[in-house]
Amino acid sequence: ETGVTQTPRHLVMGMTNKKSLKCEQHLGHNAMYWYKQSAKKPLELMFVYNFKEQTENNSVPSRFSPECPNSSHLFLHLHTLQPEDSALYLCASSQGTDGNTIYFGEGSWLTVV
Amino acid sequence: GQNIDQPTEMTATEGAIVQINCTYQTSGFNGLFWYQQHAGEAPTFLSYNVLDGLEEKGRFSSFLSRSKGYSYLLLKELQMKDSASYLCAVMDSNYQLIWGAGTKLIIKP
Repeated sequence: ETGVTQTPRHLVMGMTNKKSLKCEQHLGHNAMYWYKQSAKKPLELMFVYNFKEQTENNSVPSRFSPECPNSSHLFLHLHTLQPEDSALYLCASSQGTDGNTIYFGEGSWLTVV
Repeated sequence: GQNIDQPTEMTATEGAIVQINCTYQTSGFNGLFWYQQHAGEAPTFLSYNVLDGLEEKGRFSSFLSRSKGYSYLLLKELQMKDSASYLCAVMDSNYQLIWGAGTKLIIKP
């Protein structure tokens, strides 16, 4: 138990589907992140939210749409994905964004068919 | 550009010692992190170094040399459960984390 919970753990979706990934943190943190992890590649930062405000969008395609209703919850809405989007999507949180340790959820394995 | 290099894969024997190296070139430096990630699980925090020297935490130690842009993670008395990927990450001057691709460590009996 890491204090960061992600659902679903596994998701298979077609290229025309719409689905959402959910993340909840129980650590009292105010910053939340979405990362993409592909095999043998460095973690790719996708989005950062600090106190519910988006502070980072690393040129992520619009088919990925984040939503942060409060400091404890983060969503990633998925629409019209491509097979190359298949990866492990990791949610993380931290107490602030200036040098604090980030804590990860166990990830959502996404397969786009 | 910013870059983190670490070996792709290493193999070691149970009970032995292994050193995983990480070299970095970043715009500024605000600390270096090591994370452990077992297959199918979350990366978990192992260590943070911001000053030069060795930090010891049980069987695991982490070393940093800022002048050389170099760190290593030292694992002693290896156990089978230490088989995992080890991720090196550097926080740059903008507090952005720059990640290496990870080192997959295989422990053999």
